Amino acid sequence: QQQVKQSPQSLIVQKGGISIINCAYENTAFDYFPWYQQFPGKGPALLIAIRPDVSEKKEGRFTISFNKSAKQFSLHIMDSQPGDSATYFCAAPRGLGSSNTGKLIFGQGTTLQVKP
Amino acid sequence: GAGVSQSPSNKVTEKGKDVELRCDPISGHTALYWYRQSLGQGLEFLIYFQGNSAPDKSGLPSDRFSAERTGGSVSTLTIQRTQQEDSAVYLCASSLVLWGGGTPNTGELFFGEGSRLTVL
Repeated sequence: QQQVKQSPQSLIVQKGGISIINCAYENTAFDYFPWYQQFPGKGPALLIAIRPDVSEKKEGRFTISFNKSAKQFSLHIMDSQPGDSATYFCAAPRGLGSSNTGKLIFGQGTTLQVKP
Repeated sequence: GAGVSQSPSNKVTEKGKDVELRCDPISGHTALYWYRQSLGQGLEFLIYFQGNSAPDKSGLPSDRFSAERTGGSVSTLTIQRTQQEDSAVYLCASSLVLWGGGTPNTGELFFGEGSRLTVL
């Protein structure tokens, strides 16, 4: 079974600092790498996503860095704010090449706490 | 509403009872997922429906779990003879699947707020 391994499990950052969450995947046929953000009592929501034809994508304070050779991708949150405190999930499509059905599998999640 | 709707939002049941959880996806979304999230845990994949294809049931933890999707829209997740370890938040999500070059491209998943199940 293809997996997505996420680390760290939890992270505490001071306001204004940089939060970094990492994910490693196995299937080289994956072609879509999203990050989801979940606040307590809510369902996850798409934060930012990247396709492997680029090495980096930035949206505001959030950046995805993608390392295809290492089969890793990471989320960087610059100038972290208390409002960023949430659980973050990386994800990747499940399948191999033409058998990719578009289904997503998720990492185990990282609980981020940004201290004021 | 425009989002994914789940009901009930909370369900407390006794061990051994059957429960049904409902998901109403966003209109026009061909893909529908069920995930389970235990306290402080990640998103455990349960089942995936995509268009008219046979559902991917590979994540269902036991034969007490089943799901159906009627008319390509509303889905029901049924748990028979509930056990205490079934206590969790059950999340439904829907998405478009975009086809390019003959292969599916995963679209954004839109999640409901979940159904919290407590088995006493």
